[in-house]
Amino acid sequence: DTGVSQDPRHKITKRGQNVTFRCDPISEHNRLYWYRQTLGQGPEFLTYFQNEAQLEKSRLLSDRFSAERPKGSFSTLEIQRTEQGDSAMYLCASTTGEVYEQYFGPGTRLTVT
Amino acid sequence: AQKVTQAQTEISVVEKEDVTLDCVYETRDTTYYLFWYKQPPSGELVFLIRRNSFDEQNEISGRYSWNFQKSTSSFNFTITASQVVDSAVYFCALSETNFGNEKLTFGTGTRLTIIP
Repeated sequence: DTGVSQDPRHKITKRGQNVTFRCDPISEHNRLYWYRQTLGQGPEFLTYFQNEAQLEKSRLLSDRFSAERPKGSFSTLEIQRTEQGDSAMYLCASTTGEVYEQYFGPGTRLTVT
Repeated sequence: AQKVTQAQTEISVVEKEDVTLDCVYETRDTTYYLFWYKQPPSGELVFLIRRNSFDEQNEISGRYSWNFQKSTSSFNFTITASQVVDSAVYFCALSETNFGNEKLTFGTGTRLTIIP
């Protein structure tokens, strides 16, 4: 069990550029979550996958955000036409259906200049 | 809508003192889960405990203990004989069972600093 991994750990981009983040969950975990954490705040839910199906999206997830989880393994989160307000830590978490604690990755810190 | 309130933004205590972190929650569900996570300076959220709404027994794990009281909708966390390694931001979170989506609603966190 190598834990949840995320790549890249840090990303600096210019406003208007597209960025993509990757999350590799713990191998036997079928549920995957994306959260966003801004400075001084707790993480906020963005979206949820059960296997390859995206079952819920938060209102925080504007049309510029898209997430996928092909084949129910790793997941990607893409932000198009980034804005300065997108600067945050993007966290991925995974879990199984039998336990309820979510295991978090180290996060991707996005800075939009 | 569910909500978690951590009124203490920052706490500083001298090493070896006991410290309690408060958490108050709101939910309409009768079945829910409460969590505490630790976020050290490295940034990765570390799971500490999960408690379901039907189990009000207090729990102790080493220097950590948790007090769950449904009557006051509180789930407080106490660290006994604090150590410098306990310095971190601590988050309380709530999850409602929703057709398999146990998304977490977090509080704003309490930054704990242990002074050597």
